[in-house]
Amino acid sequence: QKEVEQDPGPLSVPEGAIVSLNCTYSNSAFQYFMWYRQYSRKGPELLMYTYSSGNKEDGRFTAQVDKSSKYISLFIRDSQPSDSATYLCALIPIAGGGADGLTFGKGTHLIIQP
Amino acid sequence: DTAVSQTPKYLVTQMGNDKSIKCEQNLGHDTMYWYKQDSKKFLKIMFSYNNKELIINETVPNRFSPKSPDKAHLNLHINSLELGDSAVYFCASSQGLAGDTQYFGPGTRLTVL
Repeated sequence: QKEVEQDPGPLSVPEGAIVSLNCTYSNSAFQYFMWYRQYSRKGPELLMYTYSSGNKEDGRFTAQVDKSSKYISLFIRDSQPSDSATYLCALIPIAGGGADGLTFGKGTHLIIQP
Repeated sequence: DTAVSQTPKYLVTQMGNDKSIKCEQNLGHDTMYWYKQDSKKFLKIMFSYNNKELIINETVPNRFSPKSPDKAHLNLHINSLELGDSAVYFCASSQGLAGDTQYFGPGTRLTVL
């Protein structure tokens, strides 16, 4: 079983729709949860960051973490064509003193149709 | 100003060659990373480097070696390039250790012929 599972899509929705993106993970050591957005031929950029269960909202974006179910979600309200990109969940465990890289999901390719 | 920069942006080379990719960050961060994104877009950590401590992902071949001349730079050297090394390589940096936001560079697209 992979550490982080994410449906690669593509997920195609009409403009204005609510988008739901999800990841599941297996390692309970993961304590920090992030969502990155990656446009074609660009580097990933951080969208949302949370380290606890519950919801975190930032504009049209809401990140949700359920540690008991090992399930994280990203919701996008009033989706725009400019939201079309690949969305990657990224997880990191509590460090044991060293620098830990992010463990990424495979990314979901999202297409917002005008 | 670009926070994390990489050169070159594109690199095309023959099998067996040795090449380097440079990374610089002007954020004053203490930790730098190298990631590999394969043809299926899967991003995977290769190295992290903090205060002269190098953490290596055990799956990375020893043909890959990071070199840090100073805190702002972490270069990636690759010896005896193989076809399977073709990928996009991303450099990233963060202020400290686990839990700090990582900022990514624009990537270097390596093609081995």
